[in-house]
Amino acid sequence: EAGVVQSPRYKIIEKKQPVAFWCNPISGHNTLYWYLQNLGQGPELLIRYENEEAVDDSQLPKDRFSAERLKGVDSTLKIQPAELGDSAVYLCASSRGTSGVYNEQFFGPGTRLTVL
Amino acid sequence: GEDVEQSLFLSVREGDSSVINCTYTDSSSTYLYWYKQEPGAGLQLLTYIFSNMDMKQDQRLTVLLNKKDKHLSLRIADTQTGDSAIYFCAESIGTGANNLFFGTGTRLTVIP
Repeated sequence: EAGVVQSPRYKIIEKKQPVAFWCNPISGHNTLYWYLQNLGQGPELLIRYENEEAVDDSQLPKDRFSAERLKGVDSTLKIQPAELGDSAVYLCASSRGTSGVYNEQFFGPGTRLTVL
Repeated sequence: GEDVEQSLFLSVREGDSSVINCTYTDSSSTYLYWYKQEPGAGLQLLTYIFSNMDMKQDQRLTVLLNKKDKHLSLRIADTQTGDSAIYFCAESIGTGANNLFFGTGTRLTVIP
């Protein structure tokens, strides 16, 4: 079974440019998460999808960040315009269930963004 | 709010036991987890414990939970060089949400 796939693995852009990250979750996983991991920190949730619905986007900076999961499968996270402080690793994770009992989250390798 | 704290670094000699500690503040944690992150890789779930348990053992890994003190530990027996990585403690809160709250991570270095 393939794991969570993310692309690109690395991205270098100049500030004020737009950037997009793509995630393909594990087949059959209904819940998809985007996390931000700053250097030397643990991941922090940006947004959680259950199928195509964003059920928790309270930590997503909506002035410049947007996300979509149109068909309830793969997802795109966009930043426009990027700022220097956005340099970080963006992690995608997926889990089979949508609520209630424990559901293991499987993480992708992440996209390392550098904003110059 | 949720606050999960860990010490930043730990060094052990190969073959010794490692103990990584974590404290958390939210008493309504449902599950507590230990994740491993190797360089350039995503997080890998090592083990988890339900909040009504106080110990869980899985091969070389032993998790201890002191709910009164809100303290979680991960013991790795017979630590190997392949165990060198960053270890994250995380908690989930409530029964309806799957959101994880992570600590800052502990970098474990195993000295051959």
